[in-house]
Amino acid sequence: EPEVTQTPSHQVTQMGQEVILRCVPISNHLYFYWYRQILGQKVEFLVSFYNNEISEKSEIFDDQFSVERPDGSNFTLKIRSTKLEDSAMYFCASGGTAYEQYFGPGTRLTVT
Amino acid sequence: QKEVEQNSGPLSVPEGAIASLNCTYSDRGSQSFFWYRQYSGKSPELIMSIYSNGDKEDGRFTAQLNKASQYVSLLIRDSQPSDSATYLCAVMDSNYQLIWGAGTKLIIKP
Repeated sequence: EPEVTQTPSHQVTQMGQEVILRCVPISNHLYFYWYRQILGQKVEFLVSFYNNEISEKSEIFDDQFSVERPDGSNFTLKIRSTKLEDSAMYFCASGGTAYEQYFGPGTRLTVT
Repeated sequence: QKEVEQNSGPLSVPEGAIASLNCTYSDRGSQSFFWYRQYSGKSPELIMSIYSNGDKEDGRFTAQLNKASQYVSLLIRDSQPSDSATYLCAVMDSNYQLIWGAGTKLIIKP
């Protein structure tokens, strides 16, 4: 069964550094998403991406964040100048329609 | 502010019994509703979607939707220890953005 994959599974970075989180959505899916979940808290929407552009973004998704689909298969989330409070699980999701989203296993980001 | 509310639990249910999980939402215009299961340290896994009032059954799972009361529920029949997880209710708004509840922790006791 096709699934969303994410790399790395765990990323440790120092405050102020840039990180790139990578995702390979399910083939033929057209809708892509990034979410984050701080330990013990709700899942939070960051951004949705369709037709090679951002379709929606939350208040969290400020200038520190950017997304890219560089090669037709990967979908990346870049976080510039990381802060301690960026430590969280970051989930990528994809969907064949706008209605159902399938999540990858997540990347645990630890900012020290 | 759009809200999705769930009882955090834990909800403890004996093995073989029916587990009933509830969710309310604030945005009356919402049309799409989802239940995800999340095991500790893992990602959310889509288990049910429902779009119309009434019941939708899939195996041991039944989702129920009442838009007038802004209420969604998930029933799990013949509960198994492997059903022990946190169940997340998610509601899609008019921008196709999912609004998430905090989840209900379900414990199935053997």
